[in-house]
Amino acid sequence: DTAVSQTPKYLVTQMGNDKSIKCEQNLGHDTMYWYKQDSKKFLKIMFSYNNKELIINETVPNRFSPKSPDKAHLNLHINSLELGDSAVYFCASSQDMPGYGYTFGSGTRLTVV
Amino acid sequence: KQEVTQIPAALSVPEGENLVLNCSFTDSAIYNLQWFRQDPGKGLTSLLLIQSSQREQTSGRLNASLDKSSGRSTLYIAASQPGDSATYLCAVKSNFGNEKLTFGTGTRLTIIP
Repeated sequence: DTAVSQTPKYLVTQMGNDKSIKCEQNLGHDTMYWYKQDSKKFLKIMFSYNNKELIINETVPNRFSPKSPDKAHLNLHINSLELGDSAVYFCASSQDMPGYGYTFGSGTRLTVV
Repeated sequence: KQEVTQIPAALSVPEGENLVLNCSFTDSAIYNLQWFRQDPGKGLTSLLLIQSSQREQTSGRLNASLDKSSGRSTLYIAASQPGDSATYLCAVKSNFGNEKLTFGTGTRLTIIP
């Protein structure tokens, strides 16, 4: 199946821990994104990579570090997790050509306790 | 800065009725607009994509329109079914290239059997 897949689907961890979320797309898209959906269900961009190059970095704490080993993968590493990091994190990809929209992964629900 | 608003935040209609969901955006210089649905605890499913040069797109019982000059889009759902119950999100991409999607606040739709 062609898709954007992210793992894990659920992640429960204690404050202060470091965790990673992985994302892979097999759509051949050039650009990948991380979005955060807060408790009010609002989706906001965090990062965007185009062909392994960081192009968007919204106001996100330095504890969040994206890594793109190749254009099909964009991982998100979070250091020193805080309670406020609890949210659903979505990976997405797109191809910058007319008629192409965004494809989203199924999300990772992160709960920090 | 692009801002996207969806009104109402929640909508309940009896099964079988036609309905319209609204989306407005502040900056009319958009590249495209995409409608998504999100089921509880799930990811985002793309419904329709409208390029800035288009006025509408149709898929089955769904029809999305775009009026750039007034900064508005509507999603029309014909003959609503209980399976249409979900949160509907519109998202705007402002420029060609690797610009981010700016999401609306969503409309939570409930179809009453």
